[in-house]
Amino acid sequence: DAGVTQSPTHLIKTRGQQVTLRCSPKSGHDTVSWYQQALGQGPQFIFQYYEEEERQRGNFPDRFSGHQYPNYSSELNVNALLLGDSALYLCASSSGGGVAVGQFFGPGTRLTVL
Amino acid sequence: GENVEQHPSTLSVQEGDSAVIKCTYSDSASNYFPWYKQELGKRPQLIIDIRSNVGEKKDQRIAVTLNKTAKHFSLHITETQPEDSAVYFCAASINNAGNMLTFGGGTRLMVKP
Repeated sequence: DAGVTQSPTHLIKTRGQQVTLRCSPKSGHDTVSWYQQALGQGPQFIFQYYEEEERQRGNFPDRFSGHQYPNYSSELNVNALLLGDSALYLCASSSGGGVAVGQFFGPGTRLTVL
Repeated sequence: GENVEQHPSTLSVQEGDSAVIKCTYSDSASNYFPWYKQELGKRPQLIIDIRSNVGEKKDQRIAVTLNKTAKHFSLHITETQPEDSAVYFCAASINNAGNMLTFGGGTRLMVKP
């Protein structure tokens, strides 16, 4: 049973560019949440997808957008990259439309913006 | 919105001693409190969680306590081992908000052999 997977592992971009990160949830999970973890800090909630729709959003600008596919996999898109977007981006999956608890994290994508 | 504070930021203990990490939350509507362990360069791993209808939960050497009145919860690790060394994060969630987790700032636990 595969856990949560993310791609790519690492990514280097320059300011102003756009990036797409991908996440496949744990088997049997239908809800995907995205978090940003800056160095030395706790993860911060970006948004959550359930039934292919953004259900809840944290305090992140519209430059951050996402998508969920019918197979429950998800993408995080960031436009007009800023130096401050450099972080570890984590996705977490859960089941039961988010009502059931217990989020399981993927290994993350390390994004560096130069 | 919810705010979670975590203390201490670093904790050093001798192998075999106990370690306690404390968190406070601000939103009385929060009702789910997980703890994650994150080793260097790895993903956060869920180690234990507690719901607001329970005051304490144990799993082998790990226990979590919750005081809803005071809005604080704690992680207790007994008989610490070097492999317990990691960063630990507490979090809080309001279930009807769809499981959005608000994390504390983390505690770096070092267990000295």
